[in-house]
Amino acid sequence: KAGVTQTPRYLIKTRGQQVTLSCSPISGHRSVSWYQQTPGQGLQFLFEYFSETQRNKGNFPGRFSGRQFSNSRSEMNVSTLELGDSALYLCASSLNLEGFLQYFGPGTRLTVT
Amino acid sequence: DAKTTQPTSMDCAEGRAANLPCNHSTISGNEYVYWYRQIHSQGPQYIIHGLKNNETNEMASLIITEDRKSSTLILPHATLRDTAVYYCIVRVGNNQGGKLIFGQGTELSVKP
Repeated sequence: KAGVTQTPRYLIKTRGQQVTLSCSPISGHRSVSWYQQTPGQGLQFLFEYFSETQRNKGNFPGRFSGRQFSNSRSEMNVSTLELGDSALYLCASSLNLEGFLQYFGPGTRLTVT
Repeated sequence: DAKTTQPTSMDCAEGRAANLPCNHSTISGNEYVYWYRQIHSQGPQYIIHGLKNNETNEMASLIITEDRKSSTLILPHATLRDTAVYYCIVRVGNNQGGKLIFGQGTELSVKP
């Protein structure tokens, strides 16, 4: 089975722009979670989607949003980028909401200049 | 906030067992202990999880104390490829979602 894929792998944006990141879960997995990783804050949960509905949300401003499609693929969007949004964005998929096993993708490295 | 406490860093000689401790003194009866690791610049990788009993799989063993307030992840024969940050996480095992709260983890360096 193919693993979790994330595109693009690297991205450079300018302050004030917006960005969309994509995640394709493992085939058959219905839950997709997003995490932000920075050197200062570590790994932080952004949100989780299951059956096209947001089920859990972390403590991030409304500039961070996401969605899930009927094929379980997910996108996250960050609007009005700030320098502090520079981070590794990780997507994880799991079979269902129990989330016992989460499989992480390689991440998208976003740099905001 | 993370509900676990781990040492910031540890060293281990190649071929020896690596024992990574984790304190979770406020763990609830329905919370599981999970271990993930993250090799530099990659996504975290699931290792093992347990509730009460000790667990073993092809990667590692998990020893949970009888009072469940602490646990130890054991890599029986550490290799250089086991150099990574190891995260101990506690969470409820139910249908409320896959949210994982990561702490700072233990940076394990396996040395030749």
